Amino acid sequence: ETGVTQSPTHLIKTRGQQVTLRCSSQSGHNTVSWYQQALGQGPQFIFQYYREEENGRGNFPPRFSGLQFPNYSSELNVNALELDDSALYLCASSFGEVSRQFFGPGTRLTVL
Amino acid sequence: ILNVEQSPQSLHVQEGDSTNFTCSFPSSNFYALHWYRWETAKSPEALFVMTLNGDEKKKGRISATLNTKEGYSYLYIKGSQPEDSATYLCASGARNRDDKIIFGKGTRLHILP
Repeated sequence: ETGVTQSPTHLIKTRGQQVTLRCSSQSGHNTVSWYQQALGQGPQFIFQYYREEENGRGNFPPRFSGLQFPNYSSELNVNALELDDSALYLCASSFGEVSRQFFGPGTRLTVL
Repeated sequence: ILNVEQSPQSLHVQEGDSTNFTCSFPSSNFYALHWYRWETAKSPEALFVMTLNGDEKKKGRISATLNTKEGYSYLYIKGSQPEDSATYLCASGARNRDDKIIFGKGTRLHILP
């Protein structure tokens, strides 16, 4: 049974660019949730994908978008990057919307 | 705006002592309360998921209780050990809410030798 993986581990972009982050869910899980964790804060819910459909969204603008694939892996896309987007991005997989979540190691995004 | 509040923000405990901290959450649309332990340079690790009012869960020296009517949960650590040093996060989950899972800011626990 493989755990949740994320790529890349670190990323540096400049303001205005676009970025794609990837997450492979744990075997048997059908739900992926994405979080943004800024310094000193708890993880903030971005959105969740359940069986390839968006199934809930936090208070994030439309330039944050995502996909879930038939194998339940997922992507987070952020367009028109802003300095405040610098954060640790975590994905978590689960079997169900609010079930126990298994987190990946995160992607550290720095926007200059 | 729905918030999950954790207190204290930070805690220093002598090795061998017991400790506890609090998570308060919105009681409306509640479905599940999660506790996670997050050690530096690792991924958050699930400790407990609780759904029923009055639930009590235990894992070794760590236990948690849940009061859904008043919207709070306590996490207890008995006989603290150095490996307990971590940030403890709680999260409220609700199916009928757009923001499915709301995390608190965490309690940073430092165990002093």
